[in-house]
Order: sequence, then C-alpha cells, then structure tokens
Amino acid sequence: SQQGEEDPQALSIQEGENATMNCSYKTSINNLQWYRQNSGRGLVHLILIRSNEREKHSGRLRVTLDTSKKSSSLLITASRAADTASYFCASVLIQGAQKLVFGQGTRLTINP
Amino acid sequence: EPEVTQTPSHQVTQMGQEVILRCVPISNHLYFYWYRQILGQKVEFLVSFYNNEISEKSEIFDDQFSVERPDGSNFTLKIRSTKLEDSAMYFCARQDRGQTGELFFGEGSRLTVL
Repeated sequence: SQQGEEDPQALSIQEGENATMNCSYKTSINNLQWYRQNSGRGLVHLILIRSNEREKHSGRLRVTLDTSKKSSSLLITASRAADTASYFCASVLIQGAQKLVFGQGTRLTINP
Repeated sequence: EPEVTQTPSHQVTQMGQEVILRCVPISNHLYFYWYRQILGQKVEFLVSFYNNEISEKSEIFDDQFSVERPDGSNFTLKIRSTKLEDSAMYFCARQDRGQTGELFFGEGSRLTVL
C-alpha cells in the first residue's frame, strides 16, 4: 500500500492566493515532513511535524497533522510565482525501518 | 552553499556498463541515504548507510547496486550493469539527528541509460 499520497496531483492558482495541499498516509508515523522540489533539482526540506503535534508554522507555511485521520495539510499563504514547484510529503514510520517514505507529490503552479 | 555535492550532474551510459555516482557531504555525518526518482514519478528509497555500513535497503537495491564510503568522505553508489530502467535522477542525502530528522539532499545525478 502507498504510504503518503498527496492531493491534488496538480494545483494552479493566481499569485497572492493561498495554496493548500493534502497528504494521507496509512501506517503510524513518528513524524511527517514536507519537501519542495523545483524542476530538475534536489529536494529541499520545508517543515517537520511530530506525531504529537497538531499544527506548525514557518513563515508563510502552515502544516497540520491529524493522526486520527492519518492526514496532513500544507498551506502556503500569499503565494508567489517563486513558489511554483512540486511539493512532497514524507513520513517516518514508527515501526520498522526509519527511512523517509515519500508521496507522489503535488505540482503547484503560481500564475503571475 | 550545498549541504551535499553530487557528481556527475548528468551521465549517459550504454546498457550493461558500470556507473559510479558520487556524493560528498560537507560535514561529518553518520547517516546517508540514496534515493532515486524516475522522471515524473515519486522519490523512492534505495539504501541507508550508517556508520559505514548498510542499515537498510529496498527491493530496488538488488545485487547490481552497491554503496561504499571508501575514504571516509566520498559516498558512492555503484550500478554494476546498467539497465534501461535504471534511467533516473539519483539523490544522495544526509541526516543530522538520528534516523527521524530531516534529510538534506544533493542536487542529484541524472543517469540516462541508452
């Protein structure tokens, strides 16, 4: 089964609007992380939220975690053209291997 | 300044050839990872390396793959006999805080197998 699936797969909004991306996972996690990837580039860590946290902020980013629903959301407020990228959630499982398991990603396009 | 430097940035090779991808972490860390991303697909875990030993590997990481840290600094991924389906971006990453913290990725090495 997939551990980490983002929704939507693609999102296109106007500059200045807020962008919300969702992530669902299937097994219990230690923490959940969000990464950003510009086209053809490496992944950049954005934010980490632990399983005992419900919400976390970092600049224009807001992440929520609902362990009862096994879901997380990433909100980017006041979007800018430079926010155009793919965004991935990644989880660290509680049991078994401690590797990060990535989702399929959401392709975000900010139109100027 | 990149946390992790990967070389080459792009390599084209013929099917059946050996390829070595290199990763140089800036700082002295214990936890390293290789991930790959086939074009347009998700980032897939290949192998984790802790204290100069493989700590975990995925089903993708078969006998054709190997990792080494030959000189205590460079971290290499070797593919012994490349296949067409090995074409992908290969990312090296390091981790600071145990095995549950954030990863710091390199810019990747694009491998094209013809």
